Amino acid sequence: RKEVEQDPGPFNVPEGATVAFNCTYSNSASQSFFWYRQDCRKEPKLLMSVYSSGNEDGRFTAQLNRASQYISLLIRDSKLSDSATYLCVVNKPGSARQLTFGSGTQLTVLP
Amino acid sequence: GAVVSQHPSWVICKSGTSVKIECRSLDFQATTMFWYRQFPKQSLMLMATSNEGSKATYEQGVEKDKFLINHASLTLSTLTVTSAHPEDSSFYICSAQTGGDIQYFGAGTRLSVL
Repeated sequence: RKEVEQDPGPFNVPEGATVAFNCTYSNSASQSFFWYRQDCRKEPKLLMSVYSSGNEDGRFTAQLNRASQYISLLIRDSKLSDSATYLCVVNKPGSARQLTFGSGTQLTVLP
Repeated sequence: GAVVSQHPSWVICKSGTSVKIECRSLDFQATTMFWYRQFPKQSLMLMATSNEGSKATYEQGVEKDKFLINHASLTLSTLTVTSAHPEDSSFYICSAQTGGDIQYFGAGTRLSVL
């Protein structure tokens, strides 16, 4: 089983749509969770951290379910500029603050 | 804040030459930096963890004599790909931590070995 597993996509949605991405992680001792976005041929950029209580940043909402070891990202009112690959990222317990990256979910928002 | 600069952004070299990539934290001190490699349509694969003033810790399968890492100061880590071959062609990305687990990434270096 992969340490971090994501929907592979691709997701092709029209502008204005709501889209949700899922992610599961295998190590129950993980404590830090993030969503990064990566544009084609660019570096990953932090989108948001994910907290146990769930958190929202504008059109983006992240949820964490520790019991199910499941993380989600919801994007409302999709914009063309949201087109990117979304990476689910989890810390690696017992390591030197290393992170484990999911393989990413590709999103294309269509006009 | 939390800006990481990586240089060069793109390099083409002949097989057998060495390539040096620099990673700098511009507005913070980073005791730990990380080096990743990413092949097309794949996720980031950690190559090594670079700690200031000590030897880097390499992931399994990564040759430490081929990928030399030096972290001489709290703001600079370098990766040297020695005797590069076409199979080393990839996107190399560094990251740094300010504290906590969040990593901030450099813009990456696209290496093409002919």
